[in-house]
Amino acid sequence: DTGVSQDPRHKITKRGQNVTFRCDPISEHNRLYWYRQTLGQGPEFLTYFQNEAQLEKSRLLSDRFSAERPKGSFSTLEIQRTEQGDSAMYLCASSSGQGVQYEQYFGPGTRLTVT
Amino acid sequence: KNEVEQSPQNLTAQEGEFITINCSYSVGISALHWLQQHPGGGIVSLFMLSSGKKKHGRLIATINIQEKHSSLHITASHPRDSAVYICAADGWDDKIIFGKGTRLHILP
Repeated sequence: DTGVSQDPRHKITKRGQNVTFRCDPISEHNRLYWYRQTLGQGPEFLTYFQNEAQLEKSRLLSDRFSAERPKGSFSTLEIQRTEQGDSAMYLCASSSGQGVQYEQYFGPGTRLTVT
Repeated sequence: KNEVEQSPQNLTAQEGEFITINCSYSVGISALHWLQQHPGGGIVSLFMLSSGKKKHGRLIATINIQEKHSSLHITASHPRDSAVYICAADGWDDKIIFGKGTRLHILP
């Protein structure tokens, strides 16, 4: 399988717990994006990496959120002290980032439910 | 006002009908994306375009840069086309702004 993969696909956690999601991009893609999608809304940008460097963070990414891409390959998104408002689909996408125009390939998403 | 607006929000049509989904944006873009999202949540990129028109099978996407408007058309619609279609504007700052999506339901 050469597409973007995410793990886990579903996560149910109690409020206050920490959760970590993983994204494996397409292997030759140097850009990796995280998005959040709440029910009935389009995805919202959270952050993106070019190789291992985190280049942009949305104001949506509070101090409880941290993302890493230590070796420029897979990425993790951690949410500390989860709140019910964190319940959403977390989407990862990757792209080659070559030139001005590039196409993002999306993973299947991780659906988080905070109870 | 959202920077990317889609219409309609919901659309129900009979199999075989010609479908049009519209997208208007207010930001400067390097490209515009049309995405398809099925109930499981996975997103598939349908088109990325910066000018003119693109066609893939029964799907056609057009964009008018001057009017900041794009349309997605589906010819000979089929129940398997039922999904949420999302328009996304790719700004020059490498961030994509998504519309809220159009929920399409094709009846057999």
